[in-house]
Amino acid sequence: DVKVTQSSRYLVKRTGEKVFLECVQDMDHENMFWYRQDPGLGLRLIYFSYDVKMKEKGDIPEGYSVSREKKERFSLILESASTNQTSMYLCASNPAGADSNQPQHFGDGTRLSIL
Amino acid sequence: AQKITQTQPGMFVQEKEAVTLDCTYDTSDPSYGLFWYKQPSSGEMIFLIYQGSYDQQNATEGRYSLNFQKARKSANLVISASQLGDSAMYFCAMREGHTGGFKTIFGAGTRLFVKA
Repeated sequence: DVKVTQSSRYLVKRTGEKVFLECVQDMDHENMFWYRQDPGLGLRLIYFSYDVKMKEKGDIPEGYSVSREKKERFSLILESASTNQTSMYLCASNPAGADSNQPQHFGDGTRLSIL
Repeated sequence: AQKITQTQPGMFVQEKEAVTLDCTYDTSDPSYGLFWYKQPSSGEMIFLIYQGSYDQQNATEGRYSLNFQKARKSANLVISASQLGDSAMYFCAMREGHTGGFKTIFGAGTRLFVKA
């Protein structure tokens, strides 16, 4: 069965800390995504990657960076955590292809609280 | 810029009745795909149905169908014969072709409540 694994289900950090959220997929997918989910706002795209070492900004990249050193792993980094980054973070992946009808596969999410 | 709009924050439906969840989108890319996902209270995202921009027929998948009106840029989800287990958040999403990758964005979601 396909699997997207996020390293932590719950995480509590302090303001100003550098925070790493890890995501690993075992499906050999080219595309990987990071979203944050907030009530009333749905899922907002932070960054996505379509290949190793490639990344593109989503709609809300400010305050975040990403790393994709290996195909299966996509890391989200909060450079200096702030309270407004308290949220649920979802990682997703899917295969590449201009006419791909393949849906995204999601991890279970990381609920991050910044105190 | 691409955009997905779900105008119904919450919807109620009686068990066994049909319900339509609205989704409109905006894109300048002629090639795109539209997806619907369900998110129960447990939090996992469950893929329901897909519609490609060049598909001639409306997509159907069991009790789910997609009312695709390309000229109006709408892709409404129709759930027939609602069940109590259909109570969940529903998200509309759009993937569009993009240089170097395929960005997928989501709407704000609609929370569906099925009444017994």
